Amino acid sequence: GESVGLHLPTLSVQEGDNSIINCAYSNSASDYFIWYKQESGKGPQFIIDIRSNMDKRQGQRVTVLLNKTVKHLSLQIAATQPGDSAVYFCAEKTQGGKLIFGQGTELSVKP
Amino acid sequence: GAGVSQSPSNKVTEKGKDVELRCDPISGHTALYWYRQSLGQGLEFLIYFQGNSAPDKSGLPSDRFSAERTGGSVSTLTIQRTQQEDSAVYLCASSLAVTINEQFFGPGTRLTVL
Repeated sequence: GESVGLHLPTLSVQEGDNSIINCAYSNSASDYFIWYKQESGKGPQFIIDIRSNMDKRQGQRVTVLLNKTVKHLSLQIAATQPGDSAVYFCAEKTQGGKLIFGQGTELSVKP
Repeated sequence: GAGVSQSPSNKVTEKGKDVELRCDPISGHTALYWYRQSLGQGLEFLIYFQGNSAPDKSGLPSDRFSAERTGGSVSTLTIQRTQQEDSAVYLCASSLAVTINEQFFGPGTRLTVL
């Protein structure tokens, strides 16, 4: 069946370094791919999305890259800060707006 | 507050009991979604509403699960005859429309079935 999954379950980085979180997906039919951040005890928070006909999109300190050839999605966070520590989920938006989420990567930022 | 709210925040119930979980979306949001998150897992889609209609119920695990939305606002997720495997955090989200990618999530209801 369709699935969206992550390569690495945990990622530890030094404050100030750049972080890269990866995601693989299997269903190519979706129009959008989206990254969410979830802090402990809270619901997920939208970070950035990318349309399937794009290969790169930049936001504030974040960049999402989409490689449809190998069905790979990544989130790059520049100058990672302690407040970036959270679990990051990639998600695929399907018809009707429902999201199919990956398993999540826990990002830990060391001061 | 202007965010999505859910109640109760925690619910402990005994196996076999029925539970109702409530979601108050952001005012004016026509789309409402229910997801389930098991411990340490990703989010699993359950059902979504466009207005008061539920075009996609494909994620509901069994016929013990049902949901409704009234007045295009509040939604209730009902689980009948709860089982231990129903234990999870139930998250609700809303968006301006189904075509809008940004879904705003509530804090969730943690359900524990003993």
